[in-house]
Amino acid sequence: DVKVTQSSRYLVKRTGEKVFLECVQDMDHENMFWYRQDPGLGLRLIYFSYDVKMKEKGDIPEGYSVSREKKERFSLILESASTNQTSMYLCASSSDRGKGAFFGQGTRLTVV
Amino acid sequence: AQSVSQHNHHVILSEAASLELGCNYSYGGTVNLFWYVQYPGQHLQLLLKYFSGDPLVKGIKGFEAEFIKSKFSFNLRKPSVQWSDTAEYFCAVNVDYKLSFGAGTTVTVRA
Repeated sequence: DVKVTQSSRYLVKRTGEKVFLECVQDMDHENMFWYRQDPGLGLRLIYFSYDVKMKEKGDIPEGYSVSREKKERFSLILESASTNQTSMYLCASSSDRGKGAFFGQGTRLTVV
Repeated sequence: AQSVSQHNHHVILSEAASLELGCNYSYGGTVNLFWYVQYPGQHLQLLLKYFSGDPLVKGIKGFEAEFIKSKFSFNLRKPSVQWSDTAEYFCAVNVDYKLSFGAGTTVTVRA
């Protein structure tokens, strides 16, 4: 079974803090994604990566950055957390062989 | 930029009723299409996918979807729903590595 593991299930941070969300996949997938999920808005793509050290902006990259130093790990960074970044964050990975993306369990981030 | 539109925000049905959820996308080139489901408290799971070939695709749990290229649509169907189909359903489009989702449709099935 493909496993996508996010480092935390729940996280509470203060406004202005730098926040790291980690994601690891164990299936040697080329592609990795970070989304945020908000009620009524579905999943919105923040950043994605199709190879190590490669990254592309998604639809809502502002306030976020990413890092992919190793193929299995994709990190999302909130440089200075704000309350409007309170959300559920989902990591996903997929292969170029096209079996669809596999998702982690999500990290519910609350910024206070 | 590509976009994915799901027609219904919330659908309420009785058991054994038929379900159809609409999905349209705005990209004109070659696309890969997916439907995902998220049961309460669980991960997103892949229901079915379309890459090429037969435009009628069968997935898990009795779901199917039809790709109509001329309408840029990929609608999801199930002939007879069960209470356990209560979930949120997301349509997704993959273009050039980028996987974009619609806003989702919440389906509530009443026993």
